[in-house]
Amino acid sequence: AQKVTQAQTEISVVEKEDVTLDCVYETRDTTYYLFWYKQPPSGELVFLIRRNSFDEQNEISGRYSWNFQKSTSSFNFTITASQVVDSAVYFCALSEARMRRETSGSRLTFGEGTQLTVNP
Amino acid sequence: DSGVTQTPKHLITATGQRVTLRCSPRSGDLSVYWYQQSLDQGLQFLIQYYNGEERAKGNILERFSAQQFPDLHSELNLSSLELGDSALYFCASSLDHGPYNEQFFGPGTRLTVL
Repeated sequence: AQKVTQAQTEISVVEKEDVTLDCVYETRDTTYYLFWYKQPPSGELVFLIRRNSFDEQNEISGRYSWNFQKSTSSFNFTITASQVVDSAVYFCALSEARMRRETSGSRLTFGEGTQLTVNP
Repeated sequence: DSGVTQTPKHLITATGQRVTLRCSPRSGDLSVYWYQQSLDQGLQFLIQYYNGEERAKGNILERFSAQQFPDLHSELNLSSLELGDSALYFCASSLDHGPYNEQFFGPGTRLTVL
């Protein structure tokens, strides 16, 4: 069974600090996909990034960067120079590939989420 | 705005009642997913439909059912409601049924059972 663990329940930082959100996953599949979503106070879930298990290149998008390490089953998310608008709950999620079954579907298994508060 | 719409935004009802939550996917998306978010269970996958057919099922209670209609909108029916069913219910959509798809989430329906 797949599992995602976000050990940090809450993180509080001061604006302009860098912050890293940890994500550790468990899966028996060799092909899988990892995601990060953001849930601001307004409540909607916003897609941030997708990574497949064959691509371990780190990715940077503006102030956001992601570090995928298969050896440690981790997919960590770093916000550089944090801003108050970054305050939200961040979820890491895993989707396994079941490619050979015609009736296969998909699902996201979410971690517990990390509440990030950025103070001015 | 993700392009996924959900109605109603809020729903307050009593135990034992039945409610229907509605979801319209993004234009062009064929797959619809339902998730439940509660304080004690977190974000849990309920069920997935692709082009009208059920494709994946999570820990969905027998009192809950869903369907996807020919116009691709989906409904989640919750019956014999209990206090513990109070939660935020999200619908998401994606292009097809594969696990590689990013899922785009609607704003959610907040259900309160009194």
